[in-house]
Amino acid sequence: DSGVTQTPKHLITATGQRVTLRCSPRSGDLSVYWYQQSLDQGLQFLIQYYNGEERAKGNILERFSAQQFPDLHSELNLSSLELGDSALYFCASSPAGGAGQPQHFGDGTRLSIL
Amino acid sequence: DAKTTQPPSMDCAEGRAANLPCNHSTISGNEYVYWYRQIHSQGPQYIIHGLKNNETNEMASLIITEDRKSSTLILPHATLRDTAVYYCIVRRFSGSARQLTFGSGTQLTVLP
Repeated sequence: DSGVTQTPKHLITATGQRVTLRCSPRSGDLSVYWYQQSLDQGLQFLIQYYNGEERAKGNILERFSAQQFPDLHSELNLSSLELGDSALYFCASSPAGGAGQPQHFGDGTRLSIL
Repeated sequence: DAKTTQPPSMDCAEGRAANLPCNHSTISGNEYVYWYRQIHSQGPQYIIHGLKNNETNEMASLIITEDRKSSTLILPHATLRDTAVYYCIVRRFSGSARQLTFGSGTQLTVLP
């Protein structure tokens, strides 16, 4: 158990819809990272938040957005969903953002678009 | 972050040591070497990381060559549950890049 909690575990929805994925980081961790893993792309970094502020952006689509709340949990919002958005979405957390501190991952949310 | 090269697959007999190599010949002085593994479609699991010195924890040992251009992850007594994709990642200590960049990794299969 990494201590990072993601909900829901599975989501099935249709094209054009909007969903919200939730992540609770490990106790004491200030940084939250979101990653996407699809069959043909591998694990791709989407976005990082540190103590409520956006810190870094990766290959995140404009249809996707995220935020980190004062209690440090984070939400990833995906809108106007397309078939290609079907993937595993992982959240990770670390105490801060430095390279010397490992990130710990949750078990992910499996998103299926029908 | 420096690029890493890993063999796509390896086999190991159960109970034997699994030695997973990683080449990172362009690594710079402020970059750490991280190892993660992913079992099926579970979340990546942190194994170990190091900067210059060899490191050991309850899961594995990390051996980094003196020139830091390559490293080896050692699972001392592999079990069937160690079958997974193992990722070697190099990550900068400073700068704005905080994320992990995953490559293709090595599929380790532990054989009974």
